[in-house]
Amino acid sequence: GENVEQHPSTLSVQEGDSAVIKCTYSDSASNYFPWYKQELGKRPQLIIDIRSNVGEKKDQRIAVTLNKTAKHFSLHITETQPEDSAVYFCAANTGGFKTIFGAGTRLFVKA
Amino acid sequence: EAQVTQNPRYLITVTGKKLTVTCSQNMNHEYMSWYRQDPGLGLRQIYYSMNVEVTDKGDVPEGYKVSRKEKRNFPLILESPSPNQTSLYFCASSWSTGDNEQFFGPGTRLTVL
Repeated sequence: GENVEQHPSTLSVQEGDSAVIKCTYSDSASNYFPWYKQELGKRPQLIIDIRSNVGEKKDQRIAVTLNKTAKHFSLHITETQPEDSAVYFCAANTGGFKTIFGAGTRLFVKA
Repeated sequence: EAQVTQNPRYLITVTGKKLTVTCSQNMNHEYMSWYRQDPGLGLRQIYYSMNVEVTDKGDVPEGYKVSRKEKRNFPLILESPSPNQTSLYFCASSWSTGDNEQFFGPGTRLTVL
């Protein structure tokens, strides 16, 4: 079945630095790749998503890139701020109804 | 206010005592789903529903049941809970299918003793 691997599991950066989180997926039919942010004690919330007909998408300080050939997609956060500290989940969906999430990356931004 | 609600938010129960976690959304979403979140395992899909009376298994359906009799409600039923079902549970909803933004409920922390 579909599998999504996410790395690293923990990431610590200095405020102002960039952070990159990487995911790989196994099902070549996957065509929708969302990223969710979960702050401590809160629910996951979508921060950005990308579909398979697009290679890159940006929204202010965050961007997502997709390499369909290699089955990789990555989240890039620039100019990190303390409020970016959270757990980030990548996910893959095959255009149907099943969504497979990665195990999550805990990001610490040190002031 | 557009939202997904879950009840209860916290529950401690004992092995074998049937329980139901309710989920309701007011956004007229067709798609609803249940996930469990465990440390180091991320979010794993239990069941999903494409519309009223249409449900299917996710990756970890064993020990759970669901029903979708109305569009807004999608309860999760544990007929005979066991300690390995101790977890944080999230309900989510989205427009037509799972390949759209999912809106999550606040979560239900379940402990089975």
